[in-house]
Amino acid sequence: DTGVSQDPRHKITKRGQNVTFRCDPISEHNRLYWYRQTLGQGPEFLTYFQNEAQLEKSRLLSDRFSAERPKGSFSTLEIQRTEQGDSAMYLCASSSDPGLYGYTFGSGTRLTVV
Amino acid sequence: AQKITQTQPGMFVQEKEAVTLDCTYDTSDPSYGLFWYKQPSSGEMIFLIYQGSYDQQNATEGRYSLNFQKARKSANLVISASQLGDSAMYFCAMPRSPLMDSSYKLIFGSGTRLLVRP
Repeated sequence: DTGVSQDPRHKITKRGQNVTFRCDPISEHNRLYWYRQTLGQGPEFLTYFQNEAQLEKSRLLSDRFSAERPKGSFSTLEIQRTEQGDSAMYLCASSSDPGLYGYTFGSGTRLTVV
Repeated sequence: AQKITQTQPGMFVQEKEAVTLDCTYDTSDPSYGLFWYKQPSSGEMIFLIYQGSYDQQNATEGRYSLNFQKARKSANLVISASQLGDSAMYFCAMPRSPLMDSSYKLIFGSGTRLLVRP
C-alpha cells in the first residue's frame, strides 16, 4: 500500500465549471476526511466518512459541494459552478478506528479557478 | 472551543542549528493529543510527531522533539541540527474533542514557515 492517493494533483478550471477530485485512502482505513487549505492558512475540515456513511459536513461545504464514498472505498469531492473563492488545496486523509490510528494525508489537489 | 495558536508566521535558522517552533492550544478536555505536521512546497502533509496529554515523557522522533508544557498549554516543536530540507511550513494540530463528536477531525493552527539558511 502506497498511502493516500489523490487525483489530479493540479486542476485549473474556468469559473462556473464543475470539477471532481478523487481520493483513494489506505485500504484498511475505514475513516476518510476532506480538508480545504487556502493560501497561508492551516487546513480546515470539510467532511468525514466512516465507511460509506457521510457522518459530518462542515458549514464550509456549501450546496455546490458534494462528496461521496461508494462502498466505503475511494471518495470523490465535486464542486459545481466553481467560483474564484474555491481556489485552494483540497486534502484527503484517512485513518482507522479508534480514529487517530495511522492518520495519513494525501498529497492534495490544488485547484485554481480562473 | 478548541483552538491552536501558532504565533510565528515565519522563522529563519542557520543550517545545523536547532530551532523551536511555538504552539499553544486551548481545550477543556482532560485527555487530548497534539500533532505536528510538515508541509513542503509540494503540498503533502507529513506527520512528524505526536504527544498525548497523559504521556509521561516528551515525545521524540529522530531530530524532532516536543517541549510539552501542560500547565502552560504549549507544545513547541524542536528541530535539532537543521537541514536545508527542513525548509517548509509546519503545522500544529489537535483532534476535535471526542466529547463533542466522534469524528477525530483535526483542528490546525495557521502554521509557521521555516527557512533554513546554508
